[in-house]
Amino acid sequence: AQSVTQLDSQVPVFEEAPVELRCNYSSSVSVYLFWYVQYPNQGLQLLLKYLSGSTLVKGINGFEAEFNKSQTSFHLRKPSVHISDTAEYFCAVSRRDDKIIFGKGTRLHILP
Amino acid sequence: DAGVTQSPTHLIKTRGQQVTLRCSPKSGHDTVSWYQQALGQGPQFIFQYYEEEERQRGNFPDRFSGHQYPNYSSELNVNALLLGDSALYLCASSLRGYTSYNEQFFGPGTRLTVL
Repeated sequence: AQSVTQLDSQVPVFEEAPVELRCNYSSSVSVYLFWYVQYPNQGLQLLLKYLSGSTLVKGINGFEAEFNKSQTSFHLRKPSVHISDTAEYFCAVSRRDDKIIFGKGTRLHILP
Repeated sequence: DAGVTQSPTHLIKTRGQQVTLRCSPKSGHDTVSWYQQALGQGPQFIFQYYEEEERQRGNFPDRFSGHQYPNYSSELNVNALLLGDSALYLCASSLRGYTSYNEQFFGPGTRLTVL
């Protein structure tokens, strides 16, 4: 069975500084990987996904993530954060045609 | 183009009662999935409907049931409510049956409080 571990429950970062949100997964088979964002009082929005091919995936709002099979990681990065990036971020994993398993989330706090 | 809509926004029930939550998928989508998001947790998959049938189910008891109508809208029913059922219930829609390859679009959720 697949599982996802988001290593930090909260990450504070100053505005315009870079950020990395960490995600590790476990699975015995090939998987798809996702990052979703949830703004306050809203549903989830897909930031980016890795299905196959290039291990560096670019998403919306300037975010990118790198799939590392040997380390079973899929960390999310942004070179310069803005106050509008304040939200909860969820890493997720699934096998093809199977349900998506979400991590517990990382709350990103942008400090002025 | 309307996205995924859910009703009601908030709901308060007491233990033992039954509740029905509703979801209208994004225009053109034919598949609806339901998730439960407890406070401080990530969403957990409840089940998914495609062509008016339940296609996949997560680890939830039979108290959780659903339905999909010919217009692709869907309902989530929960019987014999427990305090632990208090959560945000999210509906997500996608196109052409269940596959993680197709992007799911999420609604804003229904906040259920069980007293």
